[in-house]
Amino acid sequence: DQQVKQNSPSLSVQEGRISILNCDYTNSMFDYFLWYKKYPAEGPTFLISISSIKDKNEDGRFTVFLNKSAKHLSLHIVPSQPGDSAVYFCAAVSGGGADGLTFGKGTHLIIQP
Amino acid sequence: IAGITQAPTSQILAAGRRMTLRCTQDMRHNAMYWYRQDLGLGLRLIHYSNTAGTTGKGEVPDGYSVSRANTDDFPLTLASAVPSQTSVYFCASSDRMREGRNEQFFGPGTRLTVL
Repeated sequence: DQQVKQNSPSLSVQEGRISILNCDYTNSMFDYFLWYKKYPAEGPTFLISISSIKDKNEDGRFTVFLNKSAKHLSLHIVPSQPGDSAVYFCAAVSGGGADGLTFGKGTHLIIQP
Repeated sequence: IAGITQAPTSQILAAGRRMTLRCTQDMRHNAMYWYRQDLGLGLRLIHYSNTAGTTGKGEVPDGYSVSRANTDDFPLTLASAVPSQTSVYFCASSDRMREGRNEQFFGPGTRLTVL
């Protein structure tokens, strides 16, 4: 059973508009959430994270929102830029991450000019 | 700063052959991980090591083994490769001694094809 779900395999957004990527999780033991960005033929790169004790974390154009009661988080990118076109993975961890991250299947974000 | 290096970049391997994927980090991170990425499945954890001398099994460990003789190196071995092990393999590391931080840093990946 998938514990981290990204239900949109792809998302197309116009340049300059807001991109919203969604992620749901089922394991209530998860206490830290991360977003990774991945370009083709490269490894994932860390983008932004949020602890379960917060409901929002902002870093420049990127904001992550966490709704613990709904077991839902979202990544907002505003304004969207062509370089944001990539696959975005949501990941979760519990207890300090001793046994690695649990990833969603990813969402391919395409920024249209 | 190199970060994490992986070798080889890509490899085509005959089924039944033994293969070791190499991973080296220069960040002195205590924890290291191996993931595989398959189309439509995201990244799945194969094995991990929280410190030199210790290893653990992830979500998909069967057919793979690891060792952690020192802090910097974390090789992944396929004892007898099978076609279902065709995938892109990513090594990662993290500084788990750093309170409240769980970010993992990833290498560039190894694309493995088993025929």
